[in-house]
Amino acid sequence: GAVVSQHPSWVICKSGTSVKIECRSLDFQATTMFWYRQFPKQSLMLMATSNEGSKATYEQGVEKDKFLINHASLTLSTLTVTSAHPEDSSFYICSAERGTGHEQYFGPGTRLTVT
Amino acid sequence: DAKTTQPTSMDCAEGRAANLPCNHSTISGNEYVYWYRQIHSQGPQYIIHGLKNNETNEMASLIITEDRKSSTLILPHATLRDTAVYYCIVTGGQAGTALIFGKGTTLSVSS
Repeated sequence: GAVVSQHPSWVICKSGTSVKIECRSLDFQATTMFWYRQFPKQSLMLMATSNEGSKATYEQGVEKDKFLINHASLTLSTLTVTSAHPEDSSFYICSAERGTGHEQYFGPGTRLTVT
Repeated sequence: DAKTTQPTSMDCAEGRAANLPCNHSTISGNEYVYWYRQIHSQGPQYIIHGLKNNETNEMASLIITEDRKSSTLILPHATLRDTAVYYCIVTGGQAGTALIFGKGTTLSVSS
């Protein structure tokens, strides 16, 4: 099966610091990866689409300078939350699309808590 | 915005079939119906997808009406581990197409 991992699985950081979250497709190459955010008792909200070798496409209302996305290889995309604030505390989930197939495979998520 | 409408919650007895409905009356000809589920505090899991024919895999069956305006996900023998939020998503199905999640249906399976 297709496996997507995220690291770290949870992180606590102080307000004003930056946090990097990694998303890896372990057994397939992913030209496109996606980043989502999920607040408690809410659904997933798409933040951005990450394409290997090019700039990410951000959804309306998502600050690109605050949520830096890098997709440097076909198996790795990173999301950096810069100058994190308590309101950025959330569950961040990535997904990767395998080739031109229809299935997206999701990572297990990263729980970010900003104190 | 999500293009689908699902009931907020459903209950099912363990061992019985769970039938989860989804309305997608504005679906266009090249859009697929996808089903994912999310167990608490985990990433969503792909279940099944279809265009217009009924589909079946090891997890579930997907029944799409002839006019494609609605569909039903069937879990033939629900278990306690099937308790999750189930999302019905309509999307173009092309590579690089993001999934837009609605509120989904919370399925509770009880013994």
